[in-house]
Amino acid sequence: GAGVSQSPSNKVTEKGKDVELRCDPISGHTALYWYRQSLGQGLEFLIYFQGNSAPDKSGLPSDRFSAERTGGSVSTLTIQRTQQEDSAVYLCASSVLAARAGELFFGEGSRLTVL
Amino acid sequence: DAKTTQPNSMESNEEEPVHLPCNHSTISGTDYIHWYRQLPSQGPEYVIHGLTSNVNNRMASLAIAEDRKSSTLILHRATLRDAAVYYCILSNGNNRKLIWGLGTSLAVNP
Repeated sequence: GAGVSQSPSNKVTEKGKDVELRCDPISGHTALYWYRQSLGQGLEFLIYFQGNSAPDKSGLPSDRFSAERTGGSVSTLTIQRTQQEDSAVYLCASSVLAARAGELFFGEGSRLTVL
Repeated sequence: DAKTTQPNSMESNEEEPVHLPCNHSTISGTDYIHWYRQLPSQGPEYVIHGLTSNVNNRMASLAIAEDRKSSTLILHRATLRDAAVYYCILSNGNNRKLIWGLGTSLAVNP
């Protein structure tokens, strides 16, 4: 498809397990973002990739969270030793540029539930 | 980073205009004003953005106050599909610095 694709759409896991969430951005978009949205809340920035530059990891809540982007395209967000407070919808977005006026295109999110 | 203030919820009737307000009294001269909306169980969707002048696109209009301390998103004829949470956001630098508040939950009555 032409939009941002995320998988899985839903993930239920047990506390302590590791999870991987995948994002396939729009082709040609050099900027990729991960956000987290807890129930009834606004979006919380997690991490940002722009081309070959070092990623901005300033939003990652703990060292259990990591992300990589391979070949400037697909990105994987990994959460190790999941906790119940990690339950949220994880949203990926991409844009053509990192310009301040650039439009972000979001995927439909991956809903993570940690039991 | 400058923050925005929006009403928690608003209600409108179908086919009537809707004016969604946003206050951003601490906006800086280089901050862009962005609006996104989020339908239930979906990711946010870009609506419109502007800097100083009013803006129009196929989805909506953005009216920016002369002092830029407030703005209004205008949906000219609300439809049931416009029921969503509308976020007003400022950006200075790049998109990762967008600060997302709780937005305005818009209900559209048939």
